[in-house]
Amino acid sequence: AQSVAQPEDQVNVAEGNPLTVKCTYSVSGNPYLFWYVQYPNRGLQFLLKYITGDNLVKGSYGFEAEFNKSQTSFHLKKPSALVSDSALYFCAVRPLYGNNRLAFGKGNQVVVIP
Amino acid sequence: NAGVTQTPKFRILKIGQSMTLQCTQDMNHNYMYWYRQDPGMGLKLIYYSVGAGITDKGEVPNGYNVSRSTTEDFPLRLELAAPSQTSVYFCASSPQQGSYEQYFGPGTRLTVT
Repeated sequence: AQSVAQPEDQVNVAEGNPLTVKCTYSVSGNPYLFWYVQYPNRGLQFLLKYITGDNLVKGSYGFEAEFNKSQTSFHLKKPSALVSDSALYFCAVRPLYGNNRLAFGKGNQVVVIP
Repeated sequence: NAGVTQTPKFRILKIGQSMTLQCTQDMNHNYMYWYRQDPGMGLKLIYYSVGAGITDKGEVPNGYNVSRSTTEDFPLRLELAAPSQTSVYFCASSPQQGSYEQYFGPGTRLTVT
């Protein structure tokens, strides 16, 4: 079965500084990988995904993520954080073949300090 | 285009009561999902459906039931509510499996007391 680890509970970063949210995964075979963001009292919104090809994928709101197969990681990054980036971020994985289920990590709270 | 809508937004139930959480999508997606979100636990899949008339259990199906009579609707039924079912429930949909991202509704916050 697939699983995701997001090791940090909360990430604090000063506005304007680089933001990184870490994600490692476990899945049989090659993965589909996703990042979602959740603002308070809202549903999850899709940010970006890795399917195949270039290991660096770009998504919404200036976010990008780097797929590293040898380290089974898919860290989310933003070069310059904004206060409005403060939210809960979820990493998710599913295998290319097999079941239809996404496995979500527990989420990381990001706090951007003005 | 409303996307995925859920009703109600909030609900308080007494132990042993039953209710149905409604979910509707207007994107003609075949795949629909129900998740529950508990603090620090991420999202857990309750049930999912790959099309009208077809449903399957997820990780945490006990205490819940679903049906899928149309492409648009995927209601979640709670029978004999228990305090352990206090959670935020999200419905999601996707065009098909594989590389397609899921689109989420705004959620239903349920408290069982």
